[in-house]
Amino acid sequence: DIQMTQSPSTLSASVGDRVTITCRASQSISSWLAWYQQKPGKAPNLLMYKASSLESGVPSRFSGSGSGTEFTLTISSLQPDDFATYYCQQYDDYPLTFGGGTTVEIK
Amino acid sequence: QLQLQESGPGLVKPSETLSLTCTVSGVSINNGDYFWAWIRQPPGKGLEWIGSFYYTGITHYNPSLTSRVTISIDTSQNQFSLNLNSVTAADTAVYYCARHLRPTGIYWGQGILVTVSS
Repeated sequence: DIQMTQSPSTLSASVGDRVTITCRASQSISSWLAWYQQKPGKAPNLLMYKASSLESGVPSRFSGSGSGTEFTLTISSLQPDDFATYYCQQYDDYPLTFGGGTTVEIK
Repeated sequence: QLQLQESGPGLVKPSETLSLTCTVSGVSINNGDYFWAWIRQPPGKGLEWIGSFYYTGITHYNPSLTSRVTISIDTSQNQFSLNLNSVTAADTAVYYCARHLRPTGIYWGQGILVTVSS
């Protein structure tokens, strides 16, 4: 199985901050990586796919980069609606696997 | 608009079988556009993929669950189902049905909480 490791597990930030979350794969997954945002009591919501493609309707302050084994999700200017938990997920191979999540908290 | 809705019992006894159904609206599940999947999330924890099914019969299961899980499709009802047998408290989770196909990611139903308890 491909292991996905996210860091940090928790991040404290203020509105307007630039925030970066890292996701590492245990082997190369090319660009087959997605990012999701999850708020309490809700299903995850797709933000980015194929590492750097922005899902329709997602604000442009979100961006993704990386390929191979190292990936990042960046929020250029954190907004109140962005406080949530973020997950990366690889879909290069089965079983599909997720990172452990990064919770973005209010500082 | 494509929508997925989970249904089934919210409480299952230990050692019994957890059975859930996902009703798909807005697209036919056998038109080849997507894999259909189940994913779960124990309370306060991360996401675990259970398995995916393609209309041609291609099925992938999580190796950690493969001995206990079956995903099936009812094309007449435009539904797909999850059966997980011999459940324990560790199977307590929110269960999501979902769709996915490269190059995009996973699109999720709203989820259903299933508690395993006597």
